Amino acid sequence: GEDVEQSLFLSVREGDSSVINCTYTDSSSTYLYWYKQEPGAGLQLLTYIFSNMDMKQDQRLTVLLNKKDKHLSLRIADTQTGDSAIYFCAEKDNNDMRFGAGTRLTVKP
Amino acid sequence: DGGITQSPKYLFRKEGQNVTLSCEQNLNHDAMYWYRQDPGQGLRLIYYSQIVNDFQKGDIAEGYSVSREKKESFPLTVTSAQKNPTAFYLCASSIDPNTYEQYFGPGTRLTVT
Repeated sequence: GEDVEQSLFLSVREGDSSVINCTYTDSSSTYLYWYKQEPGAGLQLLTYIFSNMDMKQDQRLTVLLNKKDKHLSLRIADTQTGDSAIYFCAEKDNNDMRFGAGTRLTVKP
Repeated sequence: DGGITQSPKYLFRKEGQNVTLSCEQNLNHDAMYWYRQDPGQGLRLIYYSQIVNDFQKGDIAEGYSVSREKKESFPLTVTSAQKNPTAFYLCASSIDPNTYEQYFGPGTRLTVT
């Protein structure tokens, strides 16, 4: 099975909060990341969290890490139509980086 | 402007032909990577290079080859031995292999018919 798992789709209304969830299996992961991919483009690093942190906030983005359950989430406050994209969770351990399949976020007006 | 570029954005080839995808970075990064992205799947690592004149196979290296003759360039050749070459290919770089941040290029969509 996948080392990093995400649900494939999420749909929210503009102005609502979006929460994208991710689970991973490698307990020795040092960094966990959220990347955003817009249609036909490469990946853009949104934020990252070091494995000894529980939470990180950056403007509208909040990352929560539950290391015991190996669960990572990304909350986007006041979601806008420009936030519509695919969001990838990734984990890093030494030289290896593993990506989830991506969650396609659709924001409806 | 510093960044990582890939060309072309779209590439079409006939089955049985080798094709080389370009990846160039002017960020002075030591490490470079090639990933393949298929619909509904995460990125899968094809090859990576930690330093000039050195590269290692990733998870799905069969049917691909790379070279790293210059720090700024890491071309990927998709050979005729690759069974399912049609995909979106992403190149990335990082300051060194241990750093947390990888910068991605815009990608090349390869279609083989």
